[in-house]
Amino acid sequence: GENVEQHPSTLSVQEGDSAVIKCTYSDSASNYFPWYKQELGKRPQLIIDIRSNVGEKKDQRIAVTLNKTAKHFSLHITETQPEDSAVYFCAAIREDNDMRFGAGTRLTVKP
Amino acid sequence: NAGVTQTPKFQVLKTGQSMTLQCAQDMNHNSMYWYRQDPGMGLRLIYYSASEGTTDKGEVPNGYNVSRLNKREFSLRLESAAPSQTSVYFCASSESRGRNIQYFGAGTRLSVL
Repeated sequence: GENVEQHPSTLSVQEGDSAVIKCTYSDSASNYFPWYKQELGKRPQLIIDIRSNVGEKKDQRIAVTLNKTAKHFSLHITETQPEDSAVYFCAAIREDNDMRFGAGTRLTVKP
Repeated sequence: NAGVTQTPKFQVLKTGQSMTLQCAQDMNHNSMYWYRQDPGMGLRLIYYSASEGTTDKGEVPNGYNVSRLNKREFSLRLESAAPSQTSVYFCASSESRGRNIQYFGAGTRLSVL
């Protein structure tokens, strides 16, 4: 099955700085890579996703990049704000197969 | 439009007791999922139902059973609860399996003493 590794497990940045979270996956057949944000005590919510036929996708301050050859993908948050503080999960899914999540990154944005 | 609704929100069980976690979605989604979330381990898939009438094991199915009652509802049953099943359980749904956005319920916090 798929194995997803996520780094770092914790990340602390100053407000206004950028944050980068990286994930690697093992199954070359994986073709969909969503990112979820989970605030304390709440449900995970999708913030951005990327499909295997695309190398980069941006949505305002959030971007995701995918390197299929190296089997890694990254989440980039620019101009971080205190409300970006949360746990972020990456995931990888192979079509018609279960989705595997990374262990999560706890991001703290200090005002 | 409530999305994905889970009940109960909290539950405390004694070892050996049984219980069923309920999940319902009103988005006419075909696929539904049960995950457990433990500290430092992300979300792990217990069981999923790709479509009404089908269920399949995920990454950690031992100790659980599921029922896809109809298109809307997908329940998770613990027949004989164990302390190792103390966790937060999330139900999710998506239009279909594969490359579709999953929408999560609010979670059930379960403690087994």
